[in-house]
Amino acid sequence: QKEVEQNSGPLSVPEGAIASLNCTYSDRGSQSFFWYRQYSGKSPELIMFIYSNGDKEDGRFTAQLNKASQYVSLLIRDSQPSDSATYLCAVKRRQGGKLIFGQGTELSVKP
Amino acid sequence: ETGVTQTPRHLVMGMTNKKSLKCEQHLGHNAMYWYKQSAKKPLELMFVYNFKEQTENNSVPSRFSPECPNSSHLFLHLHTLQPEDSALYLCASSHYVTAGGIQETQYFGPGTRLLVL
Repeated sequence: QKEVEQNSGPLSVPEGAIASLNCTYSDRGSQSFFWYRQYSGKSPELIMFIYSNGDKEDGRFTAQLNKASQYVSLLIRDSQPSDSATYLCAVKRRQGGKLIFGQGTELSVKP
Repeated sequence: ETGVTQTPRHLVMGMTNKKSLKCEQHLGHNAMYWYKQSAKKPLELMFVYNFKEQTENNSVPSRFSPECPNSSHLFLHLHTLQPEDSALYLCASSHYVTAGGIQETQYFGPGTRLLVL
């Protein structure tokens, strides 16, 4: 079992729709969860992080964490073609521990 | 711009060459990282330095040799690489705080795309 799993996609959504990106992790002791966006040929850039169960909103982005289910998701409202990228989920198992990345989900937003 | 720079941005080298990748961070961080990103594979952590001391070597072959002269600079020395080492090499930095929290968020440089012939 992979430590951090994501559906590789591609996930295709129409412009203006909600894109839902999912991530599961295997270590129950994981404490910090990060979403990065990576455009083709570019380096990852941080979108959001979340530590507590529940929802965290930042603009069009909402991160959701459910530690009991070992599940973290990213919702993108009013998706735009410029949101088309690969979204990486990353999990840190303990304070100071290394960041474990999923393989990423490719999102395509169609005009 | 994230405050982390990498040079060169592209590198082509033969298997017998020796080259070095450079990373510099201007964020006041004290932890620096090297990652390898190959096509269709997750980011792989290679090395971690905290306060200039190497704290993690993720079973990386000895043909990759890191160097961290100070908290702002990180090098990756390459020698006798193999074609399968062709990948995007990413440097990242963060604060290192045992209490955790936002300060451990890692910020990535633009990467060096390496092709080994």
